[in-house]
Amino acid sequence: SAVISQKPSRDICQRGTSLTIQCQVDSQVTMMFWYRQQPGQSLTLIATANQGSEATYESGFVIDKFPISRPNLTFSTLTVSNMSPEDSSIYLCSVGSSGGAYNEQFFGPGTRLTVL
Amino acid sequence: AQTVTQSQPEMSVQEAETVTLSCTYDTSENNYYLFWYKQPPSRQMILVIRQEAYKQQNATENRFSVNFQKAAKSFSLKISDSQLGDTAMYFCAFTNAGNMLTFGGGTRLMVKP
Repeated sequence: SAVISQKPSRDICQRGTSLTIQCQVDSQVTMMFWYRQQPGQSLTLIATANQGSEATYESGFVIDKFPISRPNLTFSTLTVSNMSPEDSSIYLCSVGSSGGAYNEQFFGPGTRLTVL
Repeated sequence: AQTVTQSQPEMSVQEAETVTLSCTYDTSENNYYLFWYKQPPSRQMILVIRQEAYKQQNATENRFSVNFQKAAKSFSLKISDSQLGDTAMYFCAFTNAGNMLTFGGGTRLMVKP
């Protein structure tokens, strides 16, 4: 399984500002994903980060609010823009198993964001 | 669209006993994959066990096993000899292709000493 790190692990931000979350993988992977987990809730997919092309966003999430970069096969960033208290969540990146038989995903440790 | 339902928001079990967490799903696909993930307070998502839909044999990983009933679209997780470290949120998840996961709402499990 891949080893995934995220920075920062947590942050407290002011309303109206933006935060960029980094996700680093120790091996090249084709598919990377960004999830949001609101307090006490399950995980919701924000977007699929595609290397060399624009991210694919799920319903309810837009590029202006959650711009994503994927400059290479081991790294991605998610920016949470113009933040409001409703953006307070855990943000997790994950990677799909490359050629794995089970199509499983492995997750980073998450970034806990609090917006005041 | 696929949906995953976990009907037990919270459960508790005494240490060393057995507990079963329920999960049902809805899909029109025939070939897919099912997973149970564990999220302890550290918030790290840990893959516990996985099952391919075309395999009739239930998956087992040490103290963790599943009861996969394809016709009933049911995928329950049994934890035997529960340990304090099993205390966590447990999420059932489904994927049919492309690594896109659909998660259930989660079950909070408390193991009591």
